[in-house]
Amino acid sequence: GAVVSQHPSRVICKSGTSVKIECRSLDFQATTMFWYRQFPKQSLMLMATSNEGSKATYEQGVEKDKFLINHASLTLSTLTVTSAHPEDSSFYICSARVRDRAHEQYFGPGTRLTVT
Amino acid sequence: GENVEQHPSTLSVQEGDSAVIKCTYSDSASNYFPWYKQELGKGPQLIIDIRSNVGEKKDQRIAVTLNKTAKHFSLHITETQPEDSAVYFCAVSPRAGNMLTFGGGTRLMVKP
Repeated sequence: GAVVSQHPSRVICKSGTSVKIECRSLDFQATTMFWYRQFPKQSLMLMATSNEGSKATYEQGVEKDKFLINHASLTLSTLTVTSAHPEDSSFYICSARVRDRAHEQYFGPGTRLTVT
Repeated sequence: GENVEQHPSTLSVQEGDSAVIKCTYSDSASNYFPWYKQELGKGPQLIIDIRSNVGEKKDQRIAVTLNKTAKHFSLHITETQPEDSAVYFCAVSPRAGNMLTFGGGTRLMVKP
C-alpha cells in the first residue's frame, strides 16, 4: 500500500516550452501533496504544498507563476514548469500525505527534467 | 524555522558492521521524525519513523532512537549489507500533517 507514481520519469524539453509532471496516489486518498526539487548530491527542497481543491502554498523564493500546481482530485496533483530554462533542470519529486494518517508521507519515484 | 543537521555526510563501513547516522533539530515542538532511504535516481523511501512520545523503535536490522531533551535522533543499522548502500535522509515535522524539513543526507557505502 501507499504507492505514489510520477509521470513522466524523464523528460527533455527545449528552452521556452512548458512541461507538466503528474503525481498520483495509487491506492490511497491524499488530501495533501508536496512538491520537492533536488539538485545532484543535495537534499530535498520543498517547493510547494498542494491541498485538494484549493490553491497551493509556495515556499519562499519559489515563483508561483513559473511552477503551476493543480490538485484537482484526492489522487492527482500536477506541476507545470512554464517557459522552462536550463536552470530549471533538476529532479522533481512529489509526496503524498495519507488521508487520516496525518504524519506519514510517501514519495514518488521522481521526474528528471532536462531543459536544453 | 526548523533547522535539521545530519552527520556524517558520508559513511563507509564493512559488510556486517553497524552504521549510525545522527540528526539534530532546533524546534522543540517537533514531534515526528522519519528516516528515508534514497537510491540513485529514485524517490525517497520511508524506512522507519518515530514519534515524540517514544524513545526507541526497532524494525529488524533498523532502529531509531530519540532524545527529545537534547533534540537529536539517530538511525542505527546493524549487520549492514551491500544493498544498504544508499543516501539516507532524516526529516522532522513540527506537528501532525505539517511539512517535513530534511537533513542534508548521508551517503552510506557498505563494502563487501
